[in-house]
Amino acid sequence: DTGVSQNPRHKITKRGQNVTFRCDPISEHNRLYWYRQTLGQGPEFLTYFQNEAQLEKSRLLSDRFSAERPKGSFSTLEIQRTEQGDSAMYLCASTLAADDTEAFFGQGTRLTVV
Amino acid sequence: GEDVEQSLFLSVREGDSSVINCTYTDSSSTYLYWYKQEPGAGLQLLTYIFSNMDMKQDQRLTVLLNKKDKHLSLRIADTQTGDSAIYFCAGRGDYKLSFGAGTTVTVRA
Repeated sequence: DTGVSQNPRHKITKRGQNVTFRCDPISEHNRLYWYRQTLGQGPEFLTYFQNEAQLEKSRLLSDRFSAERPKGSFSTLEIQRTEQGDSAMYLCASTLAADDTEAFFGQGTRLTVV
Repeated sequence: GEDVEQSLFLSVREGDSSVINCTYTDSSSTYLYWYKQEPGAGLQLLTYIFSNMDMKQDQRLTVLLNKKDKHLSLRIADTQTGDSAIYFCAGRGDYKLSFGAGTTVTVRA
């Protein structure tokens, strides 16, 4: 297992289209987090899962955003009707609930909405 | 949530020590972290310190925590060109991380 994997690495989409990103956490990690990072800023928390349960959603996560983790392994983040303001790097991280001191991040998905 | 502030830029000569500073607001943060981000890449965990510690050393990295002033610093000894990156300070209370805006470190020959 080589760490947290995110796909795609880059996505360019037209405004109004829907996009979906995937995150595969480290295999034994049962907590999974999504963060968003805009240019020149640090990452901001969006949501997190413990196993398949989504336990918290930030108010940054508008109704156009939905995240799932159906089997408690990989997760998807979907953005509907994309807007230019959605352009950002979307980062996924995972930890073990029993010892979640160290959060390991994936390489991120860079979304550009044109 | 936590507010975390960092200076935005640092330029250092190769071989010198770098010191990156961070202040945070939430005294209930249980852990404080330093992450490194290279261009176009995700975040790499460098080191972290538990809130009841004052100092932690890990090879070329030294973390100092002043809880009274809510100040955290990262010292990189013998800075190399490969250390050029953005460094993020982050605090964690319960489970989520709150990040600063990052310090861009440029290492010059």
